[in-house]
Amino acid sequence: EAGVAQSPRYKIIEKRQSVAFWCNPISGHATLYWYQQILGQGPKLLIQFQNNGVVDDSQLPKDRFSAERLKGVDSTLKIQPAKLEDSAVYLCASSHGLAGEWSYNEQFFGPGTRLTVL
Amino acid sequence: TQLLEQSPQFLSIQEGENLTVYCNSSSVFSSLQWYRQEPGEGPVLLVTVVTGGEVKKLKRLTFQFGDARKDSSLHITAAQPGDTGLYLCAGATSGTYKYIFGTGTRLKVLA
Repeated sequence: EAGVAQSPRYKIIEKRQSVAFWCNPISGHATLYWYQQILGQGPKLLIQFQNNGVVDDSQLPKDRFSAERLKGVDSTLKIQPAKLEDSAVYLCASSHGLAGEWSYNEQFFGPGTRLTVL
Repeated sequence: TQLLEQSPQFLSIQEGENLTVYCNSSSVFSSLQWYRQEPGEGPVLLVTVVTGGEVKKLKRLTFQFGDARKDSSLHITAAQPGDTGLYLCAGATSGTYKYIFGTGTRLKVLA
């Protein structure tokens, strides 16, 4: 089974520019997560989708970050405008998302996109 | 705010030594997971524990979930250079499947 795909793998931009990341989850996975991982820290959840609906976006800086999951499959995360402190690895993960069975809610992560804001 | 503190933050040991990594919180979690992350890759799930007091073994790795489901430990026996990586714990509360990740323990095993 193919894993979670992310692109690009690396991105370098100037502050105040815009950037977008793309994620293709594992086929059939209903739940999709975007995490931000700053160097040396654990991942921080930015947004969680169940199919094409948002379950949790409480830690998403909505003044500059936006995310969508059209048709409940692929997802994009956008930052506009970027700040220096947005430099991090952005991880996408997916899980089956079936209620009641923890084994079906194990997360599978993509390789991440490393963003550097200069 | 739920927080998961991991200790130690860094650990450098010789091949063959044993080690234990701790994951602690003041919150109760319905399940707790351990991941290993290598440079340039996403975290890879090692184990999920869901019952207080549960112990799971995965070859040389032993995972324990605290009785009160607030803490967990990962013990590695006879560490090998291939065990090198960032170890992360993540806790989820019932019904949300929202995972809170710990601060991470960076392990380096020297040959």
